[in-house]
Amino acid sequence: ETGVTQTPRHLVMGMTNKKSLKCEQHLGHNAMYWYKQSAKKPLELMFVYNFKEQTENNSVPSRFSPECPNSSHLFLHLHTLQPEDSALYLCASSQGSGQGIYGYTFGSGTRLTVV
Amino acid sequence: DAKTTQPNSMESNEEEPVHLPCNHSTISGTDYIHWYRQLPSQGPEYVIHGLTSNVNNRMASLAIAEDRKSSTLILHRATLRDAAVYYCILRDLGRDDKIIFGKGTRLHILP
Repeated sequence: ETGVTQTPRHLVMGMTNKKSLKCEQHLGHNAMYWYKQSAKKPLELMFVYNFKEQTENNSVPSRFSPECPNSSHLFLHLHTLQPEDSALYLCASSQGSGQGIYGYTFGSGTRLTVV
Repeated sequence: DAKTTQPNSMESNEEEPVHLPCNHSTISGTDYIHWYRQLPSQGPEYVIHGLTSNVNNRMASLAIAEDRKSSTLILHRATLRDAAVYYCILRDLGRDDKIIFGKGTRLHILP
């Protein structure tokens, strides 16, 4: 248990489904992040939230829709995904974006399979 | 952004020390050197970070070259549980930089 909890751990969804990934942290951190890790590729940063405000979107397709209702919770809403979106989706938190001295705490990820 | 270069993979025997190198020849004066590792089927975890001086914690040691253009992560006594991908990352002290992961070094531990 790292302090960042992601649910579900595994998800299989059809291309026409709508699902959501959830991330929760109670570390008192103010920044939260979504990363995508495809097979045999480096982690890719998708979104950054700082004090609930989105501060970065790395050209992510609109079929991925993030939501950050408060500093402790982060969601990734999924709809009409493609098979190539199958990957490990990782959530992370830190004390604050722009604070290069602070580390990130990652969750264990959601393994998503799109069929 | 300053970049790092790491070997793609390394092997080590169990219960022996492991030295994981990282080159960062374009490092700036305010860049911290961070190391993370990712165990199989898990998210990355923080290992250690430093600026100029060598650093030790319960997981590892970080040796930083005097010119700061390279560093070495040292696992003093590797176990099978240390088999992971190790990432060396530079992070500026105050800029709004995010952690961007490279390919890292895949460490294999031989029993």
